[in-house]
Amino acid sequence: EAGVTQSPTHLIKTRGQQATLRCSPISGHTSVYWYQQALGLGLQFLLWYDEGEERNRGNFPPRFSGRQFPNYSSELNVNALELEDSALYLCASSPWRGGNQPQHFGDGTRLSIL
Amino acid sequence: GESVGLHLPTLSVQEGDNSIINCAYSNSASDYFIWYKQESGKGPQFIIDIRSNMDKRQGQRVTVLLNKTVKHLSLQIAATQPGDSAVYFCAENTSQGGKLIFGQGTELSVKP
Repeated sequence: EAGVTQSPTHLIKTRGQQATLRCSPISGHTSVYWYQQALGLGLQFLLWYDEGEERNRGNFPPRFSGRQFPNYSSELNVNALELEDSALYLCASSPWRGGNQPQHFGDGTRLSIL
Repeated sequence: GESVGLHLPTLSVQEGDNSIINCAYSNSASDYFIWYKQESGKGPQFIIDIRSNMDKRQGQRVTVLLNKTVKHLSLQIAATQPGDSAVYFCAENTSQGGKLIFGQGTELSVKP
């Protein structure tokens, strides 16, 4: 069974640009989660999608947005990039939107802002 | 604020010894807890989980203990191996649904 896959592996942008990160969940999983792992800050929850809808959002500005497609894959979009957005962006998936289900992670997209 | 904290940021053990990684959580309403292992350049890997109606759960070489009275979680790794070297995170599931709150992580270093 294929795990969560993310693309690209690395992404280099400059301040003010826009970035799009992609995630394919484990087959059969309907929930997709995005987290930011910045140096020294641990993993911070960004967004949760299930069945195509945004279910919950972390404490991040509106320039962080995303969507989930009918095949349950997801995109994370970050507009007006700032230097502090440099981080590893991790996607996770789980079988359904109920609680008590482990989230399984991909290996992330390393976003570097120059 | 919300937090899941770890007592020890680094832990160094001898190969073959047992390791214990501790975690304190702050939200008494949390009812599900997960331990993850993150190796360099990779995403967090699920190790074991426990629900709040349990106080102990065992896996292969790992045991998680939950003490709801003092809001404490621990991960025990038996016969620690060099391949266990990684950063270990605890995480709790909140009543807000979906969102996991992660601890800061403990780096486990296994000396041969």
